[in-house]
Amino acid sequence: GAVVSQHPSWVICKSGTSVKIECRSLDFQATTMFWYRQFPKQSLMLMATSNEGSKATYEQGVEKDKFLINHASLTLSTLTVTSAHPEDSSFYICSASFSNQPQHFGDGTRLSIL
Amino acid sequence: SQQGEEDPQALSIQEGENATMNCSYKTSINNLQWYRQNSGRGLVHLILIRSNEREKHSGRLRVTLDTSKKSSSLLITASRAADTASYFCAQGGSEKLVFGKGMKLTVNP
Repeated sequence: GAVVSQHPSWVICKSGTSVKIECRSLDFQATTMFWYRQFPKQSLMLMATSNEGSKATYEQGVEKDKFLINHASLTLSTLTVTSAHPEDSSFYICSASFSNQPQHFGDGTRLSIL
Repeated sequence: SQQGEEDPQALSIQEGENATMNCSYKTSINNLQWYRQNSGRGLVHLILIRSNEREKHSGRLRVTLDTSKKSSSLLITASRAADTASYFCAQGGSEKLVFGKGMKLTVNP
């Protein structure tokens, strides 16, 4: 089946630093990748949708300068949380899709900002 | 905004029992999907049911869809401890997904 790899799985860093999270589709070319955020015991909230080679489309209320998304190839998208602060601590999950198939999810990245 | 709503929010059952989770939505759909999330992990796609389907099976899973009531249910039969997870319904497909609040299922051995 389609596999999506997300790295790192867990990161702890100091307030003010930038953190990059990678999302790779391992065995398929993902025309679209999605980034979600999930708070404890809550559902997934879509942050942005990215298509290879074009700018990401951000959901309302998501700061595009805070959460930088790059989708440089059909197998890789990155999310950079810039100047992270404790309120950015969360579980971030990516997904990838191709054609009209269901989205395939990575295992998530737990971000803790001290 | 989250349109799907699961009911109940948490369910605890004994191994071997059946578990039913319900989801309601507000707008018309092309399909509805159910996902499973183990604690601290990503989502696993379970089943997709299209708007012109009323019921779909996959192993121990049975999903129903009532478009007139804008609701769907996920039934897990003969539950196992390994079924312990959170379950989400979602509207959408390869495009934008809108998730429900999710329901935490605990299956006690």
